[in-house]
Amino acid sequence: GPKVLQIPSHQIIDMGQMVTLNCDPVSNHLYFYWYKQILGQQMEFLVNFYNGKVMEKSKLFKDQFSVERPDGSYFTLKIQPTALEDSAVYFCASSLSQNTLYFGAGTRLSVL
Amino acid sequence: QQKVQQSPESLIVPEGGMASLNCTSSDRNVDYFWWYRQHSGKSPKMLMSIFSNGEKEEGRFTVHLNKASLHTSLHIRDSQPSDSALYLCAASIPGYQNFYFGKGTSLTVIP
Repeated sequence: GPKVLQIPSHQIIDMGQMVTLNCDPVSNHLYFYWYKQILGQQMEFLVNFYNGKVMEKSKLFKDQFSVERPDGSYFTLKIQPTALEDSAVYFCASSLSQNTLYFGAGTRLSVL
Repeated sequence: QQKVQQSPESLIVPEGGMASLNCTSSDRNVDYFWWYRQHSGKSPKMLMSIFSNGEKEEGRFTVHLNKASLHTSLHIRDSQPSDSALYLCAASIPGYQNFYFGKGTSLTVIP
């Protein structure tokens, strides 16, 4: 089936550093999402992105977070600076329309 | 406020048994429901979706939807140990490109 690739699979950084999580969505998809999941529990919506713009973001999408997809390359989530509570698994997802979400394998972020 | 509520939080069924999972939305604008399954350490995969009132069956899995009460349920018959996973219910609102997830039901099937 369609594949969403996430790089890296695991990232360990010190608190206060910047981190960029990369996502290569399904090629013909138009909508991109970031979700945060802690301890295999609830999948919490962070942000969605369409046509080069943020469409909707949640309260979890703090000012330290930003997303972009320059020239159709990776869809990225940048956190600057990171905090301890940012430790989680971040899932990227994409969809063609208001249809099935396809998730990547996730990036486990550990902030020390 | 949580848009999607799931129950129970966890469920244990014997191999071969029936597992029943519930999901309700508190937002009257919700119109579409999905069920995702996430095995431990893996990404969620779409299991079934339902948009119309009634029932939909795919193999051992059956989904019901009551649009009046915004309640959907997932039933797994002849449960297998490989069905042990976190089951996530997601809902969306027409015109809004977002998917709202519940907290999930952790299913354990005991051999």
